[in-house]
Amino acid sequence: EVQLVESGGGLVQPGGSLRLSCAASGFTFSSYWMSWVRQAPGKGLEWVAKIKQDGSEKYYVDSVKGRFTISRDNAKNSLYLQVNSLRAEDTAVYYCARTYSKQSGGDYWGQGTLVTVSS
Amino acid sequence: QSVLTQPPSASGTPGQRVTISCSGSSSNIGSNYVYWYQQLPGTAPKLLIFRNNERPSGVPDRFSGSKSGTSASLAISGLRTEDEADYYCEAWDDYLSGAVFGGGTQLTVL
Repeated sequence: EVQLVESGGGLVQPGGSLRLSCAASGFTFSSYWMSWVRQAPGKGLEWVAKIKQDGSEKYYVDSVKGRFTISRDNAKNSLYLQVNSLRAEDTAVYYCARTYSKQSGGDYWGQGTLVTVSS
Repeated sequence: QSVLTQPPSASGTPGQRVTISCSGSSSNIGSNYVYWYQQLPGTAPKLLIFRNNERPSGVPDRFSGSKSGTSASLAISGLRTEDEADYYCEAWDDYLSGAVFGGGTQLTVL
């Protein structure tokens, strides 16, 4: 059974940092692209970042470029999102999702981890 | 403003057929596959339709997707109360080099 479990969220002050993690199981993690998607409270879905199987290609939404870094450790079946210089508008539930290719959507999603940016 | 445009709300009665539209441009829907998700209250999104019109195993055939040019649609036939949820479309955008979502459609089953 495919499982994706996010962790690492919490309350952080503006300008602060967090490292979000996504533990994958039930499939060959190294064979899939992976994405992060976020959802602000009461709002819609927003794609954040995507990474290729070997980490050689990474894509980001403009609003997080230079502040967020997506990475993965295939030996640990884990996906990460380093989030720096956090702003109030980054407050959201962050989901990781498995995808087949750069252009494809997520076929399995985790339950999400909440990041709250507030002083 | 979302890159893909969806109606904010839709409604129907049990047994009816409803459609939800998703409008984009040549750089996203016009040149890439469309994906649809269902999000029940308080839960993570669930893939409903992939590659414009294919259903993952376990998704009832009451759900169907279509695409024409720079627009796509999700149709739900035989509407049930448990279909009450938010629905989102997604596509890759070649110009932005990123994925884009519609703003979401809240479906109410009256």
